Amino acid sequence: GENVEQHPSTLSVQEGDSAVIKCTYSDSASNYFPWYKQELGKRPQLIIDIRSNVGEKKDQRIAVTLNKTAKHFSLHITETQPEDSAVYFCAPGDSNYQLIWGAGTKLIIKP
Amino acid sequence: GAVVSQHPSRVICKSGTSVKIECRSLDFQATTMFWYRQFPKQSLMLMATSNEGSKATYEQGVEKDKFLINHASLTLSTLTVTSAHPEDSSFYICSARDPRGRGGTDTQYFGPGTRLTVL
Repeated sequence: GENVEQHPSTLSVQEGDSAVIKCTYSDSASNYFPWYKQELGKRPQLIIDIRSNVGEKKDQRIAVTLNKTAKHFSLHITETQPEDSAVYFCAPGDSNYQLIWGAGTKLIIKP
Repeated sequence: GAVVSQHPSRVICKSGTSVKIECRSLDFQATTMFWYRQFPKQSLMLMATSNEGSKATYEQGVEKDKFLINHASLTLSTLTVTSAHPEDSSFYICSARDPRGRGGTDTQYFGPGTRLTVL
């Protein structure tokens, strides 16, 4: 089955700096690559996703890059703000529309 | 668009009782719904995939007789935790896939979750 690894497990950055979280996966058939943000006690919220025919996608301060050959995709957040503090999950999707979740990255924005 | 509701948001029950959780897609028809469980400080764990009108597909290690899933309509799926025990205490989250959604056929929309505490 799919093996998903996410790094780092915790990331602390100064407000205004950039944050990068990397996700590696093992199933070459994966074709959907989303990133979710989850605040404590709340539902996961889709923040950006990319499909296998695109290498990069940007939405304001958030971007996702995909390297299918190397089987990894990354989340980039620029100009970080206190409200960016949360746990972020990658969850590559397979042909059955199932998402395989990474262990999560706790992002801490220091004021 | 693409709103998923879940009820109840929080439930406390005694050991041995059964608890039913409802998941509804409010503005779209969800051919597929997913049920997850999340323990504190951990990731989401897929429990089962539910397709409308057919039996749910359970992940390895999930007891189908304990976690009963019914997807009777295109907008409603229910999860019943039977004979609940303290180790079943967790955050249960459903999601729904909108096959005709603008977000893409593989985008999942999540309910707000149900916090189950078994005493």
